[in-house]
Amino acid sequence: GEDVEQSLFLSVREGDSSVINCTYTDSSSTYLYWYKQEPGAGLQLLTYIFSNMDMKQDQRLTVLLNKKDKHLSLRIADTQTGDSAIYFCAERRNNAGNMLTFGGGTRLMVKP
Amino acid sequence: GAVVSQHPSWVICKSGTSVKIECRSLDFQATTMFWYRQFPKQSLMLMATSNEGSKATYEQGVEKDKFLINHASLTLSTLTVTSAHPEDSSFYICSARRTSSGANVLTFGAGSRLTVL
Repeated sequence: GEDVEQSLFLSVREGDSSVINCTYTDSSSTYLYWYKQEPGAGLQLLTYIFSNMDMKQDQRLTVLLNKKDKHLSLRIADTQTGDSAIYFCAERRNNAGNMLTFGGGTRLMVKP
Repeated sequence: GAVVSQHPSWVICKSGTSVKIECRSLDFQATTMFWYRQFPKQSLMLMATSNEGSKATYEQGVEKDKFLINHASLTLSTLTVTSAHPEDSSFYICSARRTSSGANVLTFGAGSRLTVL
């Protein structure tokens, strides 16, 4: 299998936590990434995790990786309206050089 | 697996001419395709969203008359750079959204490098 899958849409209230989920199928993945795309802007790398880690925290962002289930999540604490964007997860496979395989993106809408 | 083919992968043209770039989903149907532009050492910049059978939705700042997008079938979207100028030289990438079985998966093409002399 070659897919990286995400749900299409997530809506949360300002101040709540957001959890965006991603599943992948290739066990040879070395790095997994989260990108943010705001309207009219390019993809912005938010954070990444190496496949031998199970958690990485960076300020309000927490990435959890379950290698056994091939499941990656991005938790945004204290979600703000400025966090509204499309979030893409991506994987770099061991045999694919610098190529990344992207999920379809999850649109996060933060309501005031 | 899902494959998105872009053609041409590399094109050089004279200033003032038009260039067409094709994006094809080879083994799946894509109701939605996306066109991106990438400047050197920068991220992908979404230009427009192409929906089969309807007009493309352009991002702010992208000239619709300059970058014509046609999504005439479920497997083909085209981007035409009209009256190209040197500042249009860039790397153009398409992606196609596959929604079979309820999954939301984007597959990217390998990109087309345009150089306008």
